[in-house]
Amino acid sequence: EPEVTQTPSHQVTQMGQEVILRCVPISNHLYFYWYRQILGQKVEFLVSFYNNEISEKSEIFDDQFSVERPDGSNFTLKIRSTKLEDSAMYFCASRGGWAETQYFGPGTRLLVL
Amino acid sequence: QKEVEQDPGPLSVPEGAIVSLNCTYSNSAFQYFMWYRQYSRKGPELLMYTYSSGNKEDGRFTAQVDKSSKYISLFIRDSQPSDSATYLCASYAGGTSYGKLTFGQGTILTVHP
Repeated sequence: EPEVTQTPSHQVTQMGQEVILRCVPISNHLYFYWYRQILGQKVEFLVSFYNNEISEKSEIFDDQFSVERPDGSNFTLKIRSTKLEDSAMYFCASRGGWAETQYFGPGTRLLVL
Repeated sequence: QKEVEQDPGPLSVPEGAIVSLNCTYSNSAFQYFMWYRQYSRKGPELLMYTYSSGNKEDGRFTAQVDKSSKYISLFIRDSQPSDSATYLCASYAGGTSYGKLTFGQGTILTVHP
């Protein structure tokens, strides 16, 4: 069964450093998403991406965040200058069509020290 | 007011019990409703996906949506220890929404043998 994959599974970084989280969505899916989950809190929407551009973003997704689909298979989330409060589990998700649901990857656990 | 509210529990039941999990939502634009299961430090796994009001059954799981009362339910019959996880309800609007999911905070379920 097709699945969303994410790398790395864990990332430890120093405050102020840049990190890139990578995702390979399900093949032929058209809509791509990043969510995050701070430990003990709810899953929060960050950004959606469709037709090679951001279609919607939350207030969390400020200028320190960016997304890219550099080729036909990868979807990345970059955090330019990490803060302590960026420590969270980051989930990538994708869906095939407008009325279809989203399938989530296993997540990347980011720890900012 | 939170858009999706869910009792975090924890909920503990004996094996074989019928489990009822519930969410309420406030956004009248929500049309699509999902239940995800999340094991500790893993990505959300889709269980049920429904559109608008009504019931949907899949094996031991039944999802119900009542849009008139803005109430979402998941029933698990003959619960098993392997059902022990956090259950997340989520919703999104149709129309101009690009599928941004709004999650409840999750209900922690433990099924003991």
